[in-house]
Amino acid sequence: QVQLVQSGAEVKKPGSSVKISCKASGGIFNSNIISWVRQAPGQGPEWMGRIIPILGTANYAQKFQGRVTITADKSTTTAQMELTRLRSEDTAIYYCAREMSSSSWFGPWGQGTLVTVSS
Amino acid sequence: NFMLTQPHSMSESPGKTISISCTRSSGSIASNFVQWYQQRPGSAPTIVIYEDNERPSGVPDRFSGSIDSSSNSASLTISGLKTEDGADYYCQSYDDNDHVIFGGGTKLTVL
Repeated sequence: QVQLVQSGAEVKKPGSSVKISCKASGGIFNSNIISWVRQAPGQGPEWMGRIIPILGTANYAQKFQGRVTITADKSTTTAQMELTRLRSEDTAIYYCAREMSSSSWFGPWGQGTLVTVSS
Repeated sequence: NFMLTQPHSMSESPGKTISISCTRSSGSIASNFVQWYQQRPGSAPTIVIYEDNERPSGVPDRFSGSIDSSSNSASLTISGLKTEDGADYYCQSYDDNDHVIFGGGTKLTVL
């Protein structure tokens, strides 16, 4: 069964960085795209970027360019998302999800990782 | 980039039919597929409609999707509403650079 399991909640100081992992199982990794989506409290989802693990190529939403890095380790079938220069507005639940290449829909999703940015 | 605009909230009675709209601000709604997600509190979104009107296995046929070029919008229609359909619903599409765009969401109350 295709499944994505994310790392646990994080509390960070403003200006620091956070790295979240997303472990894929069920054959999802090498033949798919992994995207990262965040959702601030009471807000809708917001796409941050994606990676094609088999190629190692990533692209990012303009809003996060320069602050986000998405990587993938094929040997451990794990994707990671690092967000730097954190600010309070980055407090959100961060999800990884398989993205279908044909039409960019997402499923399944990881369980989400809460990142709290607070001084 | 374009925006996807949804009504903030909607309410309907069990057994009725409701349609949630998603209006694209620029460019044609037909240019890029539209998806719909259901999200219950404390859970990740789950897909209910993809590629405008396709239903994943396991999603009841009470859920359907459509697009309307005249209003430049997509719609999610839920018939025979059940109380368990109460949730947040998000539309999603992508631009010509494959950058993903979500709507702001619609809170559906069924009571």
